[in-house]
Amino acid sequence: DQQVKQNSPSLSVQEGRISILNCDYTNSMFDYFLWYKKYPAEGPTFLISISSIKDKNEDGRFTVFLNKSAKHLSLHIVPSQPGDSAVYFCAATTQYDKIIFGKGTRLHILP
Amino acid sequence: DTAVSQTPKYLVTQMGNDKSIKCEQNLGHDTMYWYKQDSKKFLKIMFSYNNKELIINETVPNRFSPKSPDKAHLNLHINSLELGDSAVYFCASSQDRGRGYEQYFGPGTRLTVT
Repeated sequence: DQQVKQNSPSLSVQEGRISILNCDYTNSMFDYFLWYKKYPAEGPTFLISISSIKDKNEDGRFTVFLNKSAKHLSLHIVPSQPGDSAVYFCAATTQYDKIIFGKGTRLHILP
Repeated sequence: DTAVSQTPKYLVTQMGNDKSIKCEQNLGHDTMYWYKQDSKKFLKIMFSYNNKELIINETVPNRFSPKSPDKAHLNLHINSLELGDSAVYFCASSQDRGRGYEQYFGPGTRLTVT
């Protein structure tokens, strides 16, 4: 039973354009939503989070949007750069509890 | 300076053997974790320790035993290895349980059981 779903296994975006990665969740008790980035042969790196009481959080080129009614969140990267090519994991948790990760979306930034 | 380190990076062993993976963090964090990433790429938590105390113990065979000698170290010992144990194992740490969503991961240990 996947509580966090990333339905797109991969995504290709032209350099300089906007990358939009999507994620759906089923558990309405989650109160933090996260994005982690992973390069090959490395561990995941925390990228950005959003609390369930907010609908947007921005950090430089990265913005996460949360739509609680739709149980959907998205990560926007603008402008996309070659170094953004990686696997992006969506994740969710409640405070003091374990993180539930999605399966990941591989983002390819094309030159 | 490596924040979260794991040894070994690669481990190839035969079924039935016992092996250990070591993890150390130099971030001064209170909480450490072990994750398993299987062939389907799901990243799932196995254990979590807070100040050497076990706080999360998922449904994991009891052949897996974590040990935390101090809050900077969390080792994973696996007895009687099986083919299905082949995976990448990640260690992670977080400042404390309250900020458990922001975790720092090690580079992973790729375990292959033949």
